[in-house]
Amino acid sequence: QVQLEESGGGVAQPGRSLRLSCTTSGFVFSSYVIHWVRQAPGRGLEWVAAVWNYEYYADSVKDRFTVSRDNSKSTLYLQMNSLTAEDTAVYHCVREKPGGEYDYWGQGTLVTVSS
Amino acid sequence: QTVVTQEPSLTVSPGGTVTLTCASSTGAVTSAHYPNWFQQKPGQAPRTLIYRTSNKHSWTPARFSGSLLGGKAALTLSGVQPEDEADYYCLLYYGGSHPWVFGGGTKLTVL
Repeated sequence: QVQLEESGGGVAQPGRSLRLSCTTSGFVFSSYVIHWVRQAPGRGLEWVAAVWNYEYYADSVKDRFTVSRDNSKSTLYLQMNSLTAEDTAVYHCVREKPGGEYDYWGQGTLVTVSS
Repeated sequence: QTVVTQEPSLTVSPGGTVTLTCASSTGAVTSAHYPNWFQQKPGQAPRTLIYRTSNKHSWTPARFSGSLLGGKAALTLSGVQPEDEADYYCLLYYGGSHPWVFGGGTKLTVL
């Protein structure tokens, strides 16, 4: 069955870095776009980044975050640099069949940025 | 900056019908925005209900339907059940370097 599992969350000080991973199974990874979506405590969903032919970023993370994928490992990554308190959120990965067909979500990993 | 607007909150009686909408600051929402709708209950990950305006997944209850209505994307719940109480989010596609934007979400209360 299709599975997406995020890892790498934790507590980081402002200005530091974290790398998140989204490990997937049960489907042909290279045939899908995998997105990062985050949700700050008590807030709504925010689309963050994705990589397909190109890398795509929300303005709020551009030039600080880098998304990448390793098709051989069926894994998506999110390198987060220069973290601020506003990056505190649960980060989910979600699968999209190219053309706007979102389907499966991971449970998320919590990132807390605090001194 | 593109803004996607949803009703902040709606209340519906059990067995009733309610329509949630999703508007774009750039103009009318069309099928080219590939509207997706998601449901999120407290403490849970979101779940995709509708993709590309009106398509349902195998797990989407039949009482949920998606459409375009008056220049907006719409999610209609017919015969609302108590377990439909949740937050609902729409997502629209704009292309370019910032392709996807979520709406602010609608908190649906079944009362």
